[in-house]
Amino acid sequence: NAGVTQTPKFQVLKTGQSMTLQCAQDMNHNSMYWYRQDPGMGLRLIYYSASEGTTDKGEVPNGYNVSRLNKREFSLRLESAAPSQTSVYFCASSVVYGYTFGSGTRLTVV
Amino acid sequence: AQSVTQLDSQVPVFEEAPVELRCNYSSSVSVYLFWYVQYPNQGLQLLLKYLSGSTLVKGINGFEAEFNKSQTSFHLRKPSVHISDTAEYFCAVTGFNYGQNFVFGPGTRLSVLP
Repeated sequence: NAGVTQTPKFQVLKTGQSMTLQCAQDMNHNSMYWYRQDPGMGLRLIYYSASEGTTDKGEVPNGYNVSRLNKREFSLRLESAAPSQTSVYFCASSVVYGYTFGSGTRLTVV
Repeated sequence: AQSVTQLDSQVPVFEEAPVELRCNYSSSVSVYLFWYVQYPNQGLQLLLKYLSGSTLVKGINGFEAEFNKSQTSFHLRKPSVHISDTAEYFCAVTGFNYGQNFVFGPGTRLSVLP
């Protein structure tokens, strides 16, 4: 009954470093999403995957890449981190109008 | 383009008082509406959703919301709040043409005071 699991929970990066945020769901959902949350701006969609093998850009995709490794896993990669990418990142999965969110990754880029 | 407006960024209210958190949306297509709650350092949890049918929707923890198509609103209400309701609340909209993607409002921080 884990739902959506994100790792790591916290990360500090230096400008220019790379890292991958991991997300896995055990609910057999087809769709998965990556959002970033910034104060006063709600959640903004970075990338999503409607099904295994497909990915699409959301509202704010610049500076990110994603991989839908299989039906369970959807990773988000920052190739060269920038301070503007300091944020809280949420992964979610869904089956027809029902989102389940992970607990988030708090990323700080210095 | 679709958008969601939450008119109040912060709402302080005393314990056991009623509260209303406001949400307005703009969309050219039929919509489905949601309220999510985020407790400190946690992810978002679904409070309630409107897909069709009765415009008054009841959710968890005693919350309810009313869909008003003419006013394009989906305000969240609770008749008597508790300290444990202190959290951030997000209104979200999706629709048939959204590809299951949600558009979130900026959030309203509800602070329940003793």
